[in-house]
Amino acid sequence: GAVVSQHPSWVICKSGTSVKIECRSLDFQATTMFWYRQFPKQSLMLMATSNEGSKATYEQGVEKDKFLINHASLTLSTLTVTSAHPEDSSFYICSATGTGRIGELFFGEGSRLTVL
Amino acid sequence: LAKTTQPISMDSYEGQEVNITCSHNNIATNDYITWYQQFPSQGPRFIIQGYKTKVTNEVASLFIPADRKSSTLSLPRVSLSDTAVYYCLVGPNNNNDMRFGAGTRLTVKP
Repeated sequence: GAVVSQHPSWVICKSGTSVKIECRSLDFQATTMFWYRQFPKQSLMLMATSNEGSKATYEQGVEKDKFLINHASLTLSTLTVTSAHPEDSSFYICSATGTGRIGELFFGEGSRLTVL
Repeated sequence: LAKTTQPISMDSYEGQEVNITCSHNNIATNDYITWYQQFPSQGPRFIIQGYKTKVTNEVASLFIPADRKSSTLSLPRVSLSDTAVYYCLVGPNNNNDMRFGAGTRLTVKP
């Protein structure tokens, strides 16, 4: 149980286009979802925290108009990278809480974005 | 500012026990300590969680002293497949703050 799935697992796009990444909790209702970004050999950097039906809370330095997060249901959150540029190339990971142990995060497989 | 501090890297050999310590001086009363393992290009996965004293499961043990300002993940008899980055995460606290520290890159050598 407690599976979180991300899609797509990898995507290549041209500079200036927008890319949407989906994060789904398959067998539980995710009360809170978190989006992280990870560069090679670095730790996970929290981008934003979102609760179903409310606006995401973005970390300092993360542009909310650049990284649009929608958490429309208890099983789905989406991250849209708008007008992507090569510096947005990274590994994006979502996680969710809502079941299991207190404070336990269930992670998706990650989505690797490459912007040409 | 990261709430946890871990060694950046550790090396070990197959069959040895590895202990990774995490400092979390500002841990809150309602915080739990959770350890995750991450392989390259994968999302982290849960290893173990504790609140105080000692917790053991099929893959690891977690030691937490009485003041809870640190914790030690113990991996018995590591193998090459345990080479990964290990993160301790303290939460959820009142702000549901789930920021990761730098993690510890463990390399197991033959």
